Amino acid sequence: DAGVIQSPRHEVTEMGQEVTLRCKPISGHDYLFWYRQTMMRGLELLIYFNNNVPIDDSGMPEDRFSAKMPNASFSTLKIQPSEPRDSAVYFCASREDGKISSGANVLTFGAGSRLTVL
Amino acid sequence: AQKITQTQPGMFVQEKEAVTLDCTYDTSDQSYGLFWYKQPSSGEMIFLIYQGSYDEQNATEGRYSLNFQKARKSANLVISASQLGDSAMYFCAMREPHGSSNTGKLIFGQGTTLQVKP
Repeated sequence: DAGVIQSPRHEVTEMGQEVTLRCKPISGHDYLFWYRQTMMRGLELLIYFNNNVPIDDSGMPEDRFSAKMPNASFSTLKIQPSEPRDSAVYFCASREDGKISSGANVLTFGAGSRLTVL
Repeated sequence: AQKITQTQPGMFVQEKEAVTLDCTYDTSDQSYGLFWYKQPSSGEMIFLIYQGSYDEQNATEGRYSLNFQKARKSANLVISASQLGDSAMYFCAMREPHGSSNTGKLIFGQGTTLQVKP
């Protein structure tokens, strides 16, 4: 498997523009997560899906952020309109279903999408 | 609320020596999982080692071992025979349980930057 695939790897945009980040999880993984990493706040969970259904979006900063998972092999994170404070690295990660005591619940991360909003 | 604490923002170690990176956690749950990830300067998140709360033996993966002290709620990472390529940021994380189901919500510490000196 090619792992978790994210695109674009780098995005530079201007304030007010719409940004769409994409993710393809590992085939067979039932869970998909979106994290954001900044120097100030570290790694924050934004939202996660189980079997394409959003389970917890309490980490989504505000209404400007939205995420979808239309099928098991694709997810998007959209920011509209973007602001300079959204500049960060956005990670997508996936894992299989498994008991918490099982090593099968290891999260595999994509390479990240570095977003810069000017 | 569950919490992960890494008290060492930065660490130095001489090449070929062993180093311990500290991690403490706080949870009232009996079933949980603990993870360590490595993030080199290239930015990707690399899984290193996993410890389940019911595992009686400390986890080991090659040069990595996890010193799990359940009563003290600590899960320190030990890297033996440090190599220059070990220079990176290291994150401790805890799998947050959710009742009797497994949500895979991973909470991260703030990270420790390790520099290996030649």
